[in-house]
Amino acid sequence: DGGITQSPKYLFRKEGQNVTLSCEQNLNHDAMYWYRQDPGQGLRLIYYSQIVNDFQKGDIAEGYSVSREKKESFPLTVTSAQKNPTAFYLCASTGIGNTIYFGEGSWLTVV
Amino acid sequence: AQRVTQPEKLLSVFKGAPVELKCNYSYSGSPELFWYVQYSRQRLQLLLRHISRESIKGFTADLNKGETSFHLKKPFAQEEDSAMYYCALRDGSSGGSNYKLTFGKGTLLTVNP
Repeated sequence: DGGITQSPKYLFRKEGQNVTLSCEQNLNHDAMYWYRQDPGQGLRLIYYSQIVNDFQKGDIAEGYSVSREKKESFPLTVTSAQKNPTAFYLCASTGIGNTIYFGEGSWLTVV
Repeated sequence: AQRVTQPEKLLSVFKGAPVELKCNYSYSGSPELFWYVQYSRQRLQLLLRHISRESIKGFTADLNKGETSFHLKKPFAQEEDSAMYYCALRDGSSGGSNYKLTFGKGTLLTVNP
């Protein structure tokens, strides 16, 4: 069953902690993305990666970090430097033909 | 810089009425435009892209480079069209090597019975 899997679906974080959201795809896609979705803000690009071992900052990268050690995986770390981390996070990937496929998302709440 | 503007946060129409969701963009290069849809409790999914020039679920969208617009239209709205719609832009030059995809803030369409 091909697709994009994000985990966990729900995550609670204490202030001052770093947390990592997982994103795995078995679609053999080259490019992967992380978006943040807030009410009234739409989707805002955090980071994206076009190939393994390379990634670029999106529009709101501050307080986040990523890695792309494997083609299938693009984890996002929300660091303690992110001032307003409570949000819905979406991972996506795209390959030939450039149709972008989205994961089901992860809800992060800071308590 | 890439920018996508969807001026309407909310749009409400009655079943059978025409619907138009507006999208304007700002980009100096050669853009590719897309519409994505998110139905309640479902993943975001591609609805259509301008290079395909196709009609999906009765929706069409024409890229107007003069007006920098890519409005989504449907002549007769159905209740099942109720969803959040996002317009998105990608750099269409360089053989598709630029993967940065920028989204608008979205329009929530409600089709009333």
